[in-house]
Order: sequence, then C-alpha cells, then structure tokens
Amino acid sequence: GAGVSQTPSNKVTEKGKYVELRCDPISGHTALYWYRQSLGQGPEFLIYFQGTGAADDSGLPNDRFFAVRPEGSVSTLKIQRTERGDSAVYLCASSLKGTAAGGITDTQYFGPGTRLTVL
Amino acid sequence: AQKITQTQPGMFVQEKEAVTLDCTYDTSDPSYGLFWYKQPSSGEMIFLIYQGSYDQQNATEGRYSLNFQKARKSANLVISASQLGDSAMYFCAMRGPAGGGNKLTFGTGTQLKVEL
Repeated sequence: GAGVSQTPSNKVTEKGKYVELRCDPISGHTALYWYRQSLGQGPEFLIYFQGTGAADDSGLPNDRFFAVRPEGSVSTLKIQRTERGDSAVYLCASSLKGTAAGGITDTQYFGPGTRLTVL
Repeated sequence: AQKITQTQPGMFVQEKEAVTLDCTYDTSDPSYGLFWYKQPSSGEMIFLIYQGSYDQQNATEGRYSLNFQKARKSANLVISASQLGDSAMYFCAMRGPAGGGNKLTFGTGTQLKVEL
C-alpha cells in the first residue's frame, strides 16, 4: 500500500515569507506527527494529531508555526515569517492509533520529508 | 524528561561481518517503547525494529536484533551479515511515557559505513 507522502520535496523561500508543507498519511492511520530534522541531528518532535485535533503541540518552537488536520487525514504545517533558522527537513509520520500503549502496532511510519531552505 | 544517547557518531564494518550500534536511554517511566530507524542518504526514515519495556525477550527482525538490557537502560542494535546496502544513518528512539503522548525522542544517530 501507499506510504506517507509529503509535498513539496524541496521548498526554497526568502526570509519573511509564508510556507505550507503538506503531509498525506497512510490510509486508515488516525495519528499524524510532524518532526523537524536539522543537519547532523535526529528528528525533533513538533506536533501530534489524533484525528482532527492536536493532541500535543508542545514541540512547536513559537507561534510562527501552526499545523492543521481539518478532516483527520491530510495535514498542513504552516510557517509564517520564515527565518533562516527554520531551514531543515520537515518529516511527517503516521501511526495506526496514536497511543503510547499501542506497542509495535503503533509504530510511526515516516514520509520522505520536505527540505525547507530559507534564504 | 526522556533522553536517548548514541555515543558512536560513525562506525565502519566489513561486509558480511556483524556490527553493534549503541543506544542508552533515560526515563523514569516504567512503560516505554524503543525503536531503531534507518535513514539512507535519500532521507526517508525506515522502521527496523521495536522493543517494548515489558517484553521478556529481545526483539529480532531478520538480520536485525535488539540487545535489550533494561537494568543498564541500553538497547543496542545488532546487524548480522552486513551488506553494502546497510550503509546509512541509524537512529535510536524512545516513545512514552504512557499518558504523555506518543511522540518519539531520537538520539543523534550513528553513521554506519559497510566496506568491501
């Protein structure tokens, strides 16, 4: 079956601009996650959706970052007034249930990421 | 707070040999899950293996096995019979605690290079 897809694969923007990054999870997965990976680092958690609602947005660095998942499937990560420090690979993942007690059945599967470059 | 430590920034192994990638973790919660992911140069994170904190046996998945030592808080990944295609970045991650969300905390990764 189809995996997690993310668009665009690459995004170059200028400082101060607004960007949207899209994630299409695995069909039937109720949980969706956004992570950010800076060069030479492991991914860092941003936000987690269970269905349509943001169950945990504790990883969003500031109020320039916002994410939505209006119909419980596709999600969009929105970044306002981009800064050079926002340059990173933004990874999206999905899992079946989204519960910490889910065991191996709640493994997160990742998309290929969107490489964001802010000039 | 949860923390994952991977102390090997880079590792080399000869083809067909076994290699162990180290991972230690820190958590105060009794319930957690440990994962290993592979990230080739293409960038996609590929799930390899999972170990639950209450699992009695070490997880195995094909050529991958997890050496889980709970008392030492370590979850090392063992890759047997290394292949050239195993060359990639490997990340250890922890999920938990129960009731605290399902987010993963990742280590800084180990770059594995398999040589002929």
